[in-house]
Amino acid sequence: GAVVSQHPSRVICKSGTSVKIECRSLDFQATTMFWYRQFPKQSLMLMATSNEGSKATYEQGVEKDKFLINHASLTLSTLTVTSAHPEDSSFYICSASSEGSTEAFFGQGTRLTVV
Amino acid sequence: KQEVTQIPAALSVPEGENLVLNCSFTDSAIYNLQWFRQDPGKGLTSLLLIQSSQREQTSGRLNASLDKSSGRSTLYIAASQPGDSATYLCAVGGGRRALTFGSGTRLQVQP
Repeated sequence: GAVVSQHPSRVICKSGTSVKIECRSLDFQATTMFWYRQFPKQSLMLMATSNEGSKATYEQGVEKDKFLINHASLTLSTLTVTSAHPEDSSFYICSASSEGSTEAFFGQGTRLTVV
Repeated sequence: KQEVTQIPAALSVPEGENLVLNCSFTDSAIYNLQWFRQDPGKGLTSLLLIQSSQREQTSGRLNASLDKSSGRSTLYIAASQPGDSATYLCAVGGGRRALTFGSGTRLQVQP
């Protein structure tokens, strides 16, 4: 399968700061990328969908001004958690798919802890 | 809105048993269905992907079936091993390839 690389795998930040998470497709062009969030002992929930070169579409209840998504190229999408609070502590994971593909491939995930 | 339910939530079996994990979904207009494995504190490992036109997929000791009309899928694990211990997630895909996940089945295989 195709390879999606997510960085960093773990990050600890202070409350009020911003954190950027990168998601890269290494061997294909990702026309669409998805960002999910997983709270402890819960399942993954879709946060937003981003298409290269256009604004992201956010799911209901996800604040677009707090979770900034940029998908400026066909191989890179970034999620920036702005003014992080302890309740933003979670596991964030991206997936990417190419045009015409029937499958999306997942990154390794980022464990964010806000202290 | 698609909802995915997995039963049981947790399962503990002795090594060597065959077992079945269940997944149901409310909207049968799906693009595909995928089973994942997640180890504690880790990301997702894709196990099997079934397209909406298919009825089952097999990989080694794993077999997944799909019955779209009834909104059900099962993951069959043959001859379970302690290394199979993990959380198994079922996810259904809509046309835009975003996935809706179930809450998972936590499997513990006792040596």
